[in-house]
Amino acid sequence: AQSVTQLDSHVSVSEGTPVLLRCNYSSSYSPSLFWYVQHPNKGLQLLLKYTSAATLVKGINGFEAEFKKSETSFHLTKPSAHMSDAAEYFCVVSDQPSGTYKYIFGTGTRLKVLA
Amino acid sequence: EAQVTQNPRYLITVTGKKLTVTCSQNMNHEYMSWYRQDPGLGLRQIYYSMNVEVTDKGDVPEGYKVSRKEKRNFPLILESPSPNQTSLYFCASSPPNRGEQFFGPGTRLTVL
Repeated sequence: AQSVTQLDSHVSVSEGTPVLLRCNYSSSYSPSLFWYVQHPNKGLQLLLKYTSAATLVKGINGFEAEFKKSETSFHLTKPSAHMSDAAEYFCVVSDQPSGTYKYIFGTGTRLKVLA
Repeated sequence: EAQVTQNPRYLITVTGKKLTVTCSQNMNHEYMSWYRQDPGLGLRQIYYSMNVEVTDKGDVPEGYKVSRKEKRNFPLILESPSPNQTSLYFCASSPPNRGEQFFGPGTRLTVL
């Protein structure tokens, strides 16, 4: 069975400092992994996705994530936080074999960026 | 413009009064899905559909029904809503092969 754990429910960083949002997953197959961002009172937007190609995935707005199979992790990073990065971030796993697809969301990490 | 639309965006209703939340996409996606979002729980999948007339339960299907008679539409039906179904609901669609999901703007439902 698949599952995903976001290790921090809240993260605070100062503007201009690095961001690290942690995600561990459990999967019985070869997973697809995603990070989505949700700004206040908005829908969800895809930041990046891993689907068994390069293990270092680059996304929008300077974010990237590295798939580490040995650690079952898919942490999201950004070198320098911007005020506009303040939002809630969701890690998502999908690993069902061909034919049925379920997506499992983590419980979210709320990122606060301090001026 | 490629998009997923949901209606209504906001709904306040009473216990037991049947309601339908519509979802429509114009991207010709086979896969569509419904989620509910509750504080501290993230998004949980209610139902999904691989294609027309093919639906399956997600993790929290109790109290909900869906249908997929046309490729573009995937309505969510609450036959007898209860207060514990008060939530923010999102519809999403996706091309095949576990790709990116495109989300609608959300429907905030309150059941009194």
